[in-house]
This record gives sequence, C-alpha cells and structure tokens, in this order.
Amino acid sequence: GAVVSQHPSRVICKSGTSVKIECRSLDFQATTMFWYRQFPKQSLMLMATSNEGSKATYEQGVEKDKFLINHASLTLSTLTVTSAHPEDSSFYICSARYGDEKLFFGSGTQLSVL
Amino acid sequence: GENVEQHPSTLSVQEGDSAVIKCTYSDSASNYFPWYKQELGKGPQLIIDIRSNVGEKKDQRIAVTLNKTAKHFSLHITETQPEDSAVYFCAASLGADGLTFGKGTHLIIQP
Repeated sequence: GAVVSQHPSRVICKSGTSVKIECRSLDFQATTMFWYRQFPKQSLMLMATSNEGSKATYEQGVEKDKFLINHASLTLSTLTVTSAHPEDSSFYICSARYGDEKLFFGSGTQLSVL
Repeated sequence: GENVEQHPSTLSVQEGDSAVIKCTYSDSASNYFPWYKQELGKGPQLIIDIRSNVGEKKDQRIAVTLNKTAKHFSLHITETQPEDSAVYFCAASLGADGLTFGKGTHLIIQP
C-alpha cells in the first residue's frame, strides 16, 4: 500500500506553546489529506480536510484558529496546534487520499500538553 | 451526515475460530466501505475495502460483505491468529468526502 509518514510520533510541550505535526505522502501525490483526532479507546474524529493549494475545511466544532492546517504541496500537510492547553492532549492522525477513494494513514502523533 | 454503527465493541474468539464484525450505515448514497486495523499507539492500517457495486470481496483470510438494501456490511476473519488481535474500525464515505468511522471493535484472540 501507499506510505504516509507522520512526525513527530510523540511530543510533550508546555501549556501555551505551539506544536507542528507533519504529514507526508512518500510514494504518491495527495491532493487531499485529512486530519483526525482520537481519544483513548475511542474512534477517530475528523477534524478537517486539507486540499493542496486551498484553505482547509474544518468540521463543526473544530477551531480553525487553534488548529492551523497548511497543505503547501502535493506531498505535505501540516497541523499546528497553537497555544496548546492540556485539553488539546490527544492522539492526532493524518491520512492521505490515494486515487479516488483509498485513504492511508500516518502512524499518529501523541501530544501531551503539561 | 453519515452515521456508522459498529458491533460488537469487544469480541473474544479462540485461536483458529472465525470472527465477524458488523456495521450499519445511514446514508444510502455512501459508496465506499473500508476496514482498518489499529494496533496500540499506531495509525489505522487499511486491510480490505469494498465499493457499493460489489457484494463481496475476499483477500486470503479476510472477507467483507455488503448488503446495500439493508445498509450493512461485515468483516469476516477466518482461522484467527494471535496477531489478529487489535482494534478494527469500519468506515463509510461518499466520493471525495472524508471517512465516517464506527466506534471500533476490540478483537481478542485467545490462545
């Protein structure tokens, strides 16, 4: 299958700082990438859809100023959690669309805000 | 929007037996149904998928069936092995939309 690389895998930061997470499609070009959030023992919740060269589309209830998404190239999307607080602690996962339908996921980023 | 229900939430089977996980969806327009396996601390891995114009698809020990009329689809794993232990998620989508996931099934393979 197609490979999606996500970094970092784990990050610990102080409250009030910003954290950037990178998502790269390694062997294919992805015009659309998605960002999900997952709490322990729960399902994946779609946060936003990232389209190359345009603004991201956020799901209802997701603060666009808190979660900044940039999709500057066909192989890279970034999620920046701005002014992080403990309630932002979670497992963040990106995915990239391969072809018309298939989504391949990155390995996830565990964010812990102290 | 789409709503996906998944059952059971936990499934324990003896090694070598079969496991079946079932999902229902609400939007009859949904046309793509993938299944993902997620191990602890990792991202979901696509294991099999099916499109709405197909009723069944098989890949070695894994099969998926789709009943469009009833709006439900199922994952079947035969001859289960310890490495099949994980959380499995079903999902549904329409075209270019993002996936809507079920709540997941924790599959436990008892030795």
